[in-house]
Amino acid sequence: DAGVIQSPRHEVTEMGQEVTLRCKPISGHDYLFWYRQTMMRGLELLIYFNNNVPIDDSGMPEDRFSAKMPNASFSTLKIQPSEPRDSAVYFCASSLGTPGRRGYTFGSGTRLTVV
Amino acid sequence: DAKTTQPTSMDCAEGRAANLPCNHSTISGNEYVYWYRQIHSQGPQYIIHGLKNNETNEMASLIITEDRKSSTLILPHATLRDTAVYYCIVSPVGSNYKLTFGKGTLLTVNP
Repeated sequence: DAGVIQSPRHEVTEMGQEVTLRCKPISGHDYLFWYRQTMMRGLELLIYFNNNVPIDDSGMPEDRFSAKMPNASFSTLKIQPSEPRDSAVYFCASSLGTPGRRGYTFGSGTRLTVV
Repeated sequence: DAKTTQPTSMDCAEGRAANLPCNHSTISGNEYVYWYRQIHSQGPQYIIHGLKNNETNEMASLIITEDRKSSTLILPHATLRDTAVYYCIVSPVGSNYKLTFGKGTLLTVNP
């Protein structure tokens, strides 16, 4: 298995632009998580899905953030409009069950820089 | 949710065992102890988890005290590639439980 695949690896955008981050979970996994990591706040859970349905989005910072999972093999995290404080590394993770017999498998992350 | 306490940082000599402690004095009976690590610039990686018995896999051993209020992750022969932040997390198992990461322990393995 190729693991959890995230794209792009790096994204630099200007303030006010729309940003879309993509994630392909491991086939067969029924949970998908979006985390954000900054030096100040560490790893924060933004939202997670079970069988493509959003379960808990209490970590989404504000209405500028939205996430979708149209099918079992794809999820997006969108920021519109983006702001410099959104600069962070965004990780997607998937698991079979939660917290899962083998834990979460994380992708390599997308490093977002908003200038 | 139960909270965990870990030292901010630790050092270990290459080839020696690394013993990383975690305190979880308020753990509930249905909560497991999970360990993850994050190597610089990579996503976190699952290491091991346990409920009350000691566990061992190809990566590490997990020793949980009898009262379950603390645990120790053991890397038997640390290498330079084990330098990472190690996170200890407690969580129930079941539908819709999520893992919350703290600040972890930065383990530096020295040559």
